[in-house]
Amino acid sequence: QKEVEQDPGPLSVPEGAIVSLNCTYSNSAFQYFMWYRQYSRKGPELLMYTYSSGNKEDGRFTAQVDKSSKYISLFIRDSQPSDSATYLCAMSGTGGTSYGKLTFGQGTILTVHP
Amino acid sequence: EAGVTQSPTHLIKTRGQQATLRCSPISGHTSVYWYQQALGLGLQFLLWYDEGEERNRGNFPPRFSGRQFPNYSSELNVNALELEDSALYLCASSPGTATYTDTQYFGPGTRLTVL
Repeated sequence: QKEVEQDPGPLSVPEGAIVSLNCTYSNSAFQYFMWYRQYSRKGPELLMYTYSSGNKEDGRFTAQVDKSSKYISLFIRDSQPSDSATYLCAMSGTGGTSYGKLTFGQGTILTVHP
Repeated sequence: EAGVTQSPTHLIKTRGQQATLRCSPISGHTSVYWYQQALGLGLQFLLWYDEGEERNRGNFPPRFSGRQFPNYSSELNVNALELEDSALYLCASSPGTATYTDTQYFGPGTRLTVL
């Protein structure tokens, strides 16, 4: 079983839709949760960074963390064609082999149609 | 502010050769991380350097090695290249080990093709 599971999609939505992306994890040591966006043939770009359970909002993006369920989500409101990319969840913990290391989900390919 | 830079953009090698990939972190960042993004395998952690020392290593064979220079730039070396080493190699940097909350910022990657 992978430490982080993410539905690879692909996910196709019309412009203006609300998009929900999700990851589950099994390692209780994970304390820091990130979402990255990766355009084709580019490096990942950090979108959201959260610590502890709860919500964090930044513009059209909202990140949710539920540590009790080991489940994280990213919501994109009013999606735009420019949001078309691969979205990667990533997690890290403290100490031991987790120190300094990001563990990524497989990534979800999102396409937003005009 | 300049981001993480990597060179070369593309690298083509034959099986058995050695590859050297380079990374310059964001100014002021002392930690450098290397990841491999192979088709179908996702992003996998390779190495972490901070202040010239190797701090952590992923599940990769010893032929994957690297170093960090006094100016905090880094080099990844892959010896005895195998076909399955073909991948996008990503470098990331962060401010350092002062806190556990350092976020990692990625460069554009070096695409290595092994023929």
